[in-house]
Amino acid sequence: SQQGEEDPQALSIQEGENATMNCSYKTSINNLQWYRQNSGRGLVHLILIRSNEREKHSGRLRVTLDTSKKSSSLLITASRAADTASYFCATDGDFGNEKLTFGTGTRLTIIP
Amino acid sequence: GAGVSQSPRYKVTKRGQDVALRCDPISGHVSLYWYRQALGQGPEFLTYFNYEAQQDKSGLPNDRFSAERPEGSISTLTIQRTEQRDSAMYRCASSLWTGPYEQYFGPGTRLTVT
Repeated sequence: SQQGEEDPQALSIQEGENATMNCSYKTSINNLQWYRQNSGRGLVHLILIRSNEREKHSGRLRVTLDTSKKSSSLLITASRAADTASYFCATDGDFGNEKLTFGTGTRLTIIP
Repeated sequence: GAGVSQSPRYKVTKRGQDVALRCDPISGHVSLYWYRQALGQGPEFLTYFNYEAQQDKSGLPNDRFSAERPEGSISTLTIQRTEQRDSAMYRCASSLWTGPYEQYFGPGTRLTVT
């Protein structure tokens, strides 16, 4: 079963604009991760945020986490055509159970 | 260095046949995970290992699915008596250790059961 839901399911923006996608989850977590999947290819880890963190940056990526609302957001600034991909959030669960539960994904299209 | 590799990349099999999917993790990675991904969906957890020990197999759909990692490196996911509903992308991932570490995913095996 899917733990999280990404919102929106699909997003199209012009190159250079910022893209924001959201993830909601259901149960308590230790960590939340974001992954990118280019069409027909493998998943690539982008960023990990711990449950005691509220915000994290990595290059053009900014992730926020609100554990009270069980939600996270991923912001990609100054988007590029190469950012076109599906983005998934993934959560772990109880301490000691490190399996990841993925959301349904947001399909991001950057229009050149 | 080399990433996670999986073989075969594509497998077409007839219903009722057994299949074995192989995963070769990154050298030195303790943890190995199997996921299944349907088209347009995120990966769904199947099972994972630390070294050769299977830690969690709660995601295996039924007893036709099994996995092993006998020497703590290469892993095999076996599906017996395949059914059409088993058709999916099967992905393997490895991580340095369990816990808050990123998982490195392989390219996947596309299984089609006809």
